[in-house]
Amino acid sequence: AQSVTQLDSHVSVSEGTPVLLRCNYSSSYSPSLFWYVQHPNKGLQLLLKYTSAATLVKGINGFEAEFKKSETSFHLTKPSAHMSDAAEYFCVVSSISSGSARQLTFGSGTQLTVLP
Amino acid sequence: ETGVTQSPTHLIKTRGQQVTLRCSSQSGHNTVSWYQQALGQGPQFIFQYYREEENGRGNFPPRFSGLQFPNYSSELNVNALELDDSALYLCASSDVQGALFFGPGTRLTVL
Repeated sequence: AQSVTQLDSHVSVSEGTPVLLRCNYSSSYSPSLFWYVQHPNKGLQLLLKYTSAATLVKGINGFEAEFKKSETSFHLTKPSAHMSDAAEYFCVVSSISSGSARQLTFGSGTQLTVLP
Repeated sequence: ETGVTQSPTHLIKTRGQQVTLRCSSQSGHNTVSWYQQALGQGPQFIFQYYREEENGRGNFPPRFSGLQFPNYSSELNVNALELDDSALYLCASSDVQGALFFGPGTRLTVL
């Protein structure tokens, strides 16, 4: 079974400083991994996706993530935080459910707070 | 290109009632999934439809059912509502690489 573990439930950074949101995955084969962001009272937005191409994946709004097989990690980073980055972030792994459906398994989420 | 849309935005029901939630997929996507997001938690997979057939289900009872129509729009039906069914219900359509594009969700409150 596929799973992801988000190592921090809350991360707080100052505006303009780097962001690091940590995620480890468990998978019996080469996984498809994603990061989604959810702003308050809004739906989920895809930030970036890894599907076995380049290990360094660039996403929207300056975010990027690096797939490290040896460490089973897929951490999300951004060089400089902006106030608008404050949101809940989910690390997600894609797997095949019963039947042939491709389902997403979400981590528990990391709440990012950006301080002025 | 239009995104995923859902209706209604908010809904209040009482225990034991039935509810139908609706979703229109993103243009060109023929797979639709439904997720339940309880307060303070990550979304959980309910089921997926492909070409009008359910082809996968998560750990949800049969009173959660769905339909997908020829135009790829979809419905989620929940019978015999329970208090724990209160959640944000998210619909998503997927591209060929499996990335899901979510709608804004329907907030269901069961009293």
